Amino acid sequence: QKEVEQNSGPLSVPEGAIASLNCTYSDRGSQSFFWYRQYSGKSPELIMSIYSNGDKEDGRFTAQLNKASQYVSLLIRDSQPSDSATYLCALDDKIIFGKGTRLHILP
Amino acid sequence: DTGVSQNPRHKITKRGQNVTFRCDPISEHNRLYWYRQTLGQGPEFLTYFQNEAQLEKSRLLSDRFSAERPKGSFSTLEIQRTEQGDSAMYLCASSSQDYNEQFFGPGTRLTVL
Repeated sequence: QKEVEQNSGPLSVPEGAIASLNCTYSDRGSQSFFWYRQYSGKSPELIMSIYSNGDKEDGRFTAQLNKASQYVSLLIRDSQPSDSATYLCALDDKIIFGKGTRLHILP
Repeated sequence: DTGVSQNPRHKITKRGQNVTFRCDPISEHNRLYWYRQTLGQGPEFLTYFQNEAQLEKSRLLSDRFSAERPKGSFSTLEIQRTEQGDSAMYLCASSSQDYNEQFFGPGTRLTVL
């Protein structure tokens, strides 16, 4: 069974610093990887998708994928208080979600 | 297009009653997914459709749960004989066949008393 592991946090990061969120997965055959942001009481919102090894940047967000080590990470540069949310790592098209990491940006 | 919509947003019901939720996907998306999320957990996959065909169902989807997408557009999720353990947020998402990126609706929060 496919599994996705994330540290539940909370991860506290000072405003303006880099937040680093990590995720490991069990199935070497997984091809698609996603990061979602979820505010309390709201539905998940897609931030990034990544399909090949390496880095993918979009604004303040960078997703990193290492299939050999079976991990995917999300870096948030210049963290803002509005980035405080739960970040969900997910994989594949029937999307298997991790439990999420709660991120708290300290003003 | 305003994105994925779900109705109702909230539903309170008594144990043993039947409930039905509706999801309207993004119009050009042919894939539609249902998930369930409880507090402190990530969303759990329930089922998905490609056009009107239901292609996969999770083991979580007991025989009390049924989903339809009759014309390949909107979908309904029905729960029969609700139990307190069915209380959760029910999320719908859609995607195109070419891309796996799923976009979620606002969810329907079910409370079973």
